[in-house]
Amino acid sequence: DAKTTQPNSMESNEEEPVHLPCNHSTISGTDYIHWYRQLPSQGPEYVIHGLTSNVNNRMASLAIAEDRKSSTLILHRATLRDAAVYYCILRGRSNYQLIWGAGTKLIIKP
Amino acid sequence: KAGVTQTPRYLIKTRGQQVTLSCSPISGHRSVSWYQQTPGQGLQFLFEYFSETQRNKGNFPGRFSGRQFSNSRSEMNVSTLELGDSALYLCASSFDGLGLTDTQYFGPGTRLTVL
Repeated sequence: DAKTTQPNSMESNEEEPVHLPCNHSTISGTDYIHWYRQLPSQGPEYVIHGLTSNVNNRMASLAIAEDRKSSTLILHRATLRDAAVYYCILRGRSNYQLIWGAGTKLIIKP
Repeated sequence: KAGVTQTPRYLIKTRGQQVTLSCSPISGHRSVSWYQQTPGQGLQFLFEYFSETQRNKGNFPGRFSGRQFSNSRSEMNVSTLELGDSALYLCASSFDGLGLTDTQYFGPGTRLTVL
């Protein structure tokens, strides 16, 4: 199964942009990149997904490298409510099930 | 649309007992997946049910089992509880679980403590 590598934790100031990196050097051509986050004491929630092109939604933007071996989740203006563990996951025809890594714990400083 | 609900939210059991957890998926969703989350191991996939059939299974012992009913509601059962089974058990539903862009919607989880 294709794996992802993320930093254990990151800190950012409130109301500043946050760039959360993810490496996935073994990604295959049909693997989608999914991001979920888990707020304290809650189940994970979907954030965004993409295949090749950069993607935007109301929560975040996803920037995918041209070779697709890495991606970056961008929170344009972090708030205290964005403090969570962020998971980068690959999903493809060989692994429909989401395989979760340790994720990145995002700490937002007021 | 109501979200995924899980009952009970908290449970305390003793070693050797068995436990049943329940999950009601979002209306219209036919795939239900179960995960175990512990501080040491993170989120680990237990199994997935679709149309009352177990379609995928993770690497857990046979003490962990589940089923799905015709209305897509699902239950998981853990028999002969061990201390290491203490964890947050999460249920996730999705439309069919197979689409590469299929989104999983998670419930709040059931916190199981085994004494």
